[in-house]
Amino acid sequence: DAKTTQPPSMDCAEGRAANLPCNHSTISGNEYVYWYRQIHSQGPQYIIHGLKNNETNEMASLIITEDRKSSTLILPHATLRDTAVYYCIVLISIQWGNTPLVFGKGTRLSVIA
Amino acid sequence: GAGVSQSPSNKVTEKGKDVELRCDPISGHTALYWYRQRLGQGLEFLIYFQGNSAPDKSGLPSDRFSAERTGESVSTLTIQRTQQEDSAVYLCASSSYLASETQYFGPGTRLLVL
Repeated sequence: DAKTTQPPSMDCAEGRAANLPCNHSTISGNEYVYWYRQIHSQGPQYIIHGLKNNETNEMASLIITEDRKSSTLILPHATLRDTAVYYCIVLISIQWGNTPLVFGKGTRLSVIA
Repeated sequence: GAGVSQSPSNKVTEKGKDVELRCDPISGHTALYWYRQRLGQGLEFLIYFQGNSAPDKSGLPSDRFSAERTGESVSTLTIQRTQQEDSAVYLCASSSYLASETQYFGPGTRLLVL
């Protein structure tokens, strides 16, 4: 079962920041927070991940609360192409092993012109 | 560089037939994953490979499903005696511990069982 809770849907005006929340109150100390998105009819796409520090890359920023029980994915200037289902996933990262992703239902983000 | 590729992109088959789905991971990626996504549903984990070994087969829905990987590269997912409930998009992903184990997905194979 997914260890995360996300709102089922959100709208965002084009050009504005999209802030997608995720609750993971049972996260363990060695579990990372990963974000993927799935644009219609495509495979999931990696966005960003973090452990406890805030992270930023060319796609998004990830803000993790100090107690690590929740996080927010920020798309700073949403475009119509950002319309997708966004998945927040907690995952143990083991150096010499790999762990399958457990997808919840995600948040369907609709960017509106 | 080349991403994960899957073939065929679409497959229509009759109930009871066997199908083989192929995944070509990113070169050098040691881990390979298969997921299934039914229409309007989330992704379900099926199986993963570390090298050519499959440590976790718990997600395979029945003994009609099997998978193999050779040369730490190509993987084949086989569904025997297909049923209509097997209709779904089958997605493959690969990862490398050198890339923080981020999983990169292919475009999927859309399977329709009539």
